[in-house]
Amino acid sequence: DIVLTQSPDSLAVSLGERATINCKSSQSVLYSANNKNYLAWYQQKDGQPPKLLIYWASIRESGVPDRFSGSESGTDFTLTINSLQPEDVAVYYCQQYFSARSITFGQGTRLEIK
Amino acid sequence: EVRLAESGGGLVQPGGSLRLSCAASGFSFSDFWMSWVRQRPGKGLEWVANIRQDGGDKNYADSVRGRFIISRDNAMQSVFLQLNSLRGDDTAVYFCARDRRPPSVNDHWGQGTLVTVSS
Repeated sequence: DIVLTQSPDSLAVSLGERATINCKSSQSVLYSANNKNYLAWYQQKDGQPPKLLIYWASIRESGVPDRFSGSESGTDFTLTINSLQPEDVAVYYCQQYFSARSITFGQGTRLEIK
Repeated sequence: EVRLAESGGGLVQPGGSLRLSCAASGFSFSDFWMSWVRQRPGKGLEWVANIRQDGGDKNYADSVRGRFIISRDNAMQSVFLQLNSLRGDDTAVYFCARDRRPPSVNDHWGQGTLVTVSS
């Protein structure tokens, strides 16, 4: 199975500042036929189901604020939240769907306000 | 509006069985793969299984293969998860989610149903 390792496990950021969450894949999730990384990011607030934020590593889901962005460098992926808002407090997960018969999530990163 | 509503959770003894249901509305159900994802108390997300539009292709996580069975009824717009030989570490909230392909991500989720395995 592809293992996704997120860092840090938790972080606290001041309102209006930038939050950066990392996700490292144990192997490439880049599909050469379409040059796309099969990686997504989800946000889960307390007591709620997850919400899709980003797919193809960097494409924002419809309705997601543009302060959320995703990037990649090889097998390293980053979710960046600019100008942190109170409603961004949540746990964030990366997910790979490259191995469609064995989808995996990272362990999650808890984001709090400093 | 897309809506997914899980039901069927509850308390079951180790070794027992349970059948979860997920009723879908607000979209053309038969056009989408569907998934089950679970979350143990205080833990992260774990993909459990998914099923193709016609039910002809099913995939399972290693942790549940041979014990859980995913199925669907397109006429009822529902997806099901039969949980057999339940163990304590199957205790979790089970979410039903729609698969949007491409890119094969879960773009809509239900609120989840809690399964507790305990004697």
